[in-house]
Amino acid sequence: QLQLQESGPGLVKPSETLSLTCTVSGGSIGSNSFYWDWIRQPPGNTLEWIGSIYYSGSTNYSPSLKSRVTISRDTSKNQFSLKLSSVTAADTAVYYCVRRMKVRSSLTAIDYWGQGALVTVSS
Amino acid sequence: DIQMTQSPSSLSASVGHRVTITCRASQNISVYVNWYQQKPGKAPKLLIYAAVSLQSGVPSGFSGGGSGTDFSLTISSLQPEDFATYYCQQTYSIPFTFGPGTKVEIK
Repeated sequence: QLQLQESGPGLVKPSETLSLTCTVSGGSIGSNSFYWDWIRQPPGNTLEWIGSIYYSGSTNYSPSLKSRVTISRDTSKNQFSLKLSSVTAADTAVYYCVRRMKVRSSLTAIDYWGQGALVTVSS
Repeated sequence: DIQMTQSPSSLSASVGHRVTITCRASQNISVYVNWYQQKPGKAPKLLIYAAVSLQSGVPSGFSGGGSGTDFSLTISSLQPEDFATYYCQQTYSIPFTFGPGTKVEIK
């Protein structure tokens, strides 16, 4: 059974960089046809897609966050990571790492989620 | 960005009742819609992908429909464990946007 686990600081100061790591067990992040995404959910709000890294290593980011986001991976540790720079209170959210599967052609859906990590931006 | 809207934003229903939630996209997205269920304090769970396909392990009482801009999620007979918030998501184009959610509460 695939499992994803987010880890990282729960409190980040304004203007600093938020860093989270997702450790994947029960499957390889190098497996064909899977994307590894970051999604966030501000308290009481809907979900927001941040970006993804494909099994090949290619990345895509939300245009609204692209200037501040970097998603990378370490296949030797079966981990992928999120860095979000110059954070403000608006970046306070539960951050989820997820696996997005290819259903067919370019159709994809998120079939596995981490439990989520609350990151608060405050001085 | 493609905007996803949902209606209603919340509803109250009794166990055993049939419930339908609708989702509308701001442009034609074919069948690139997924539905998720989220319970308080938990990660979302995939129910329906590609608008109409039931995810493995999801009860058959859930069904999806629609294509183009209008989509629906139907629960044929509401069970106590179905009380949750439901989100639609489009994966037609980046950024993959979610609807605002529909909260299903016990009447």
